[in-house]
Amino acid sequence: AQSVTQLGSHVSVSEGALVLLRCNYSSSVPPYLFWYVQYPNQGLQLLLKYTTGATLVKGINGFEAEFKKSETSFHLTKPSAHMSDAAEYFCAVSEGYGQNFVFGPGTRLSVLP
Amino acid sequence: EPEVTQTPSHQVTQMGQEVILRCVPISNHLYFYWYRQILGQKVEFLVSFYNNEISEKSEIFDDQFSVERPDGSNFTLKIRSTKLEDSAMYFCASRKGSVQETQYFGPGTRLLVL
Repeated sequence: AQSVTQLGSHVSVSEGALVLLRCNYSSSVPPYLFWYVQYPNQGLQLLLKYTTGATLVKGINGFEAEFKKSETSFHLTKPSAHMSDAAEYFCAVSEGYGQNFVFGPGTRLSVLP
Repeated sequence: EPEVTQTPSHQVTQMGQEVILRCVPISNHLYFYWYRQILGQKVEFLVSFYNNEISEKSEIFDDQFSVERPDGSNFTLKIRSTKLEDSAMYFCASRKGSVQETQYFGPGTRLLVL
């Protein structure tokens, strides 16, 4: 069965600092991996995804993530945090075509001025 | 850009009442999903639907829940007799179906059961 862990339920960074949100997964087959962002009182917005091909994927708003099979990780990074990045971030795994997502517990990102 | 829509945005109901949550998936999508998020918790899978039938469901999706695609555009989630613990945000999602595609989520319906 698939599972997702996100280390750190709450991460605080200063504006302009590096953002690193951690995601580790378990899957019995090559996974599809996703990061979603949820702003307060809003739905889930796709940031980026990995399905096949290049292991470093770039998403919206300057975010990127790298799939590392050996570490079963898909950490999300952004070189320079902006106040507007404050939100809840969810990592999700799917075992492929048409399969449902399993979400991690989420990490709340705070950006300090 | 096409998007998934959900109505209503908020619903308040009494325990034991039936509720129907509505979703309009993106028009050329083939796979449909419902998820829920209890306040402060993670998003949980409820059910997936393809070719007019349930393809997968979680333990949460018991006999009180049902889904339907009544007219080729709407995708509904019915809770037959709501319980207090059904209070949550319910997200609909749809997926085109090709291998590289992801699920696109609607804005959610916040259900409060009193």
